[in-house]
Amino acid sequence: AQKVTQAQTEISVVEKEDVTLDCVYETRDTTYYLFWYKQPPSGELVFLIRRNSFDEQNEISGRYSWNFQKSTSSFNFTITASQVVDSAVYFCALRKTGGGADGLTFGKGTHLIIQP
Amino acid sequence: DGGITQSPKYLFRKEGQNVTLSCEQNLNHDAMYWYRQDPGQGLRLIYYSQIVNDFQKGDIAEGYSVSREKKESFPLTVTSAQKNPTAFYLCASKMGPFYGYTFGSGTRLTVV
Repeated sequence: AQKVTQAQTEISVVEKEDVTLDCVYETRDTTYYLFWYKQPPSGELVFLIRRNSFDEQNEISGRYSWNFQKSTSSFNFTITASQVVDSAVYFCALRKTGGGADGLTFGKGTHLIIQP
Repeated sequence: DGGITQSPKYLFRKEGQNVTLSCEQNLNHDAMYWYRQDPGQGLRLIYYSQIVNDFQKGDIAEGYSVSREKKESFPLTVTSAQKNPTAFYLCASKMGPFYGYTFGSGTRLTVV
């Protein structure tokens, strides 16, 4: 069975601080896809990144960076110089595989609060 | 602009009534999905459809039904058999197996 754990329920930091959101996953598959989504107060999920298990290079996109480590089954997300607009719930997810399954297995999310 | 439209944004129903949530996409995506979100919880998969006229149960399909008669539409019916229907419902779509998922803005259903 697949599982995604986001142990941090809520994080609160002051604007301009760096913050890291943790994600640990469990899967028996050798090939898998990991995702991060942002959910602002309006409710829709905004796609941030998709990572293939074969690609262990860290990725940077502006103030966002992701650290993928297969050895520890982690896919952590760091926001550098946080801004108030970064306040949202962030979800880590794992694509379902096996037996024709489809869709995503989500963690419970981390509520990030950026204080001005 | 292409995207996924979920309507209405807020929906209220009396207990014991069936209710249908709308999901329409103009992205020409093959696969569509329904997720349920409860406060403080992640999203859980209800049903998905990879092609027209075919759909599969997800992790929490009991008390729900779907249809996929058109590529663009994937309505979800919350039946009276669903014991705790009050939740936020999100629809998603995807072009194919190697693509990312696009989500709608959700429908918040309250059953009183």
